[in-house]
Amino acid sequence: GAGVSQSPRYKVTKRGQDVALRCDPISGHVSLYWYRQALGQGPEFLTYFNYEAQQDKSGLPNDRFSAERPEGSISTLTIQRTEQRDSAMYRCASSSDGMGRFSGNTIYFGEGSWLTVV
Amino acid sequence: AQKITQTQPGMFVQEKEAVTLDCTYDTSDQSYGLFWYKQPSSGEMIFLIYQGSYDEQNATEGRYSLNFQKARKSANLVISASQLGDSAMYFCAMRAQMNTGFQKLVFGTGTRLLVSP
Repeated sequence: GAGVSQSPRYKVTKRGQDVALRCDPISGHVSLYWYRQALGQGPEFLTYFNYEAQQDKSGLPNDRFSAERPEGSISTLTIQRTEQRDSAMYRCASSSDGMGRFSGNTIYFGEGSWLTVV
Repeated sequence: AQKITQTQPGMFVQEKEAVTLDCTYDTSDQSYGLFWYKQPSSGEMIFLIYQGSYDEQNATEGRYSLNFQKARKSANLVISASQLGDSAMYFCAMRAQMNTGFQKLVFGTGTRLLVSP
């Protein structure tokens, strides 16, 4: 696609429900990142995929959070048993650079998925 | 660990004037990259400018320039001739090496810029 596409753009869910957030990176992009951004804060790293391999998940807050990218393209971030503190914007980014090696302006962010847990 | 510090929570500037947004960084890496992103109220994250640690000249992109002072570990963004549409949140970020050998972006807390007529 022309850009990084995320869905849903807005999600309101009740505490305790599971949510799945989808990211469709730019076609052919090898690297895919998930970030979380709370109101008034900068984005914080959650996890990284190189093709279909999850190479780093050190930023996932706890085991309720998981992510996959089974075919090396679309990725899903799943939050189980949501809590109010999970409310934030979840951003996906992709890069044409392999091995997660950034250079210049090759990092593209999606518009994000706003999650509100009530 | 790598860290980005943006000490200005908010900045005000009048239209057509220049403004400097501060960013300092901390890293032990010899090779690194610095980025600035703009986040308007719509929530997009728009790439503005990039500076590599070995680049000898300061990066420029139109009205944006990056004042890179390596010895001071600062990478300030300069916006010349501010426009009303420049009102947004601005994030400084640094390319950081993970233990896995891969890289990620580490962001600062951002500076909110308001441009007045």
